[in-house]
Amino acid sequence: AQKVTQAQTEISVVEKEDVTLDCVYETRDTTYYLFWYKQPPSGELVFLIRRNSFDEQNEISGRYSWNFQKSTSSFNFTITASQVVDSAVYFCALSALNFGNEKLTFGTGTRLTIIP
Amino acid sequence: GAVVSQHPSWVICKSGTSVKIECRSLDFQATTMFWYRQFPKQSLMLMATSNEGSKATYEQGVEKDKFLINHASLTLSTLTVTSAHPEDSSFYICSAKRGLGYTFGSGTRLTVV
Repeated sequence: AQKVTQAQTEISVVEKEDVTLDCVYETRDTTYYLFWYKQPPSGELVFLIRRNSFDEQNEISGRYSWNFQKSTSSFNFTITASQVVDSAVYFCALSALNFGNEKLTFGTGTRLTIIP
Repeated sequence: GAVVSQHPSWVICKSGTSVKIECRSLDFQATTMFWYRQFPKQSLMLMATSNEGSKATYEQGVEKDKFLINHASLTLSTLTVTSAHPEDSSFYICSAKRGLGYTFGSGTRLTVV
């Protein structure tokens, strides 16, 4: 079975502050993929990143960066210089080749509010 | 890029009626599609995995006779909520597997009154 834990239910920060969203995962598969999605109030899921289990390089995309640490089974997401438009619910997710059924398992989400 | 079109975006129906939600992959063939349900302020819970031309695989606790899934073609999967009740009111989202990633529909907000 696979599991994704996002311990932070809600976070509020003042605009321009940096914020890190935590994600810890569990899986028995050796090959797996980790994702981050953003869900604004409209409800649609916006894809942010995909990382495979063999690539532990950190990634930076503009104000977004991701830190993948296999040793601690964590895949944390940092937003630098936060903006009001970053307010949304963020989901971390995991997919693995589980008997050929590549289910995407979501964490419980972190609701991020950026205060102007 | 890959687009999944989901319709309707919202629907209100009377208790006891059935509602069909469609999910179409517009520019690629989706062998596998997934259906999720999301209650307010909660995560996305996988309901079922649908494979083109075969029966859907339902997650534990999901009533297959209530949530009918049909994946008759490589570009269309449908979810029918039969005999809907107020407790079925939720946000339903479909997703299509494409390569190593997943493309999501925009979701359907179902309200049963």
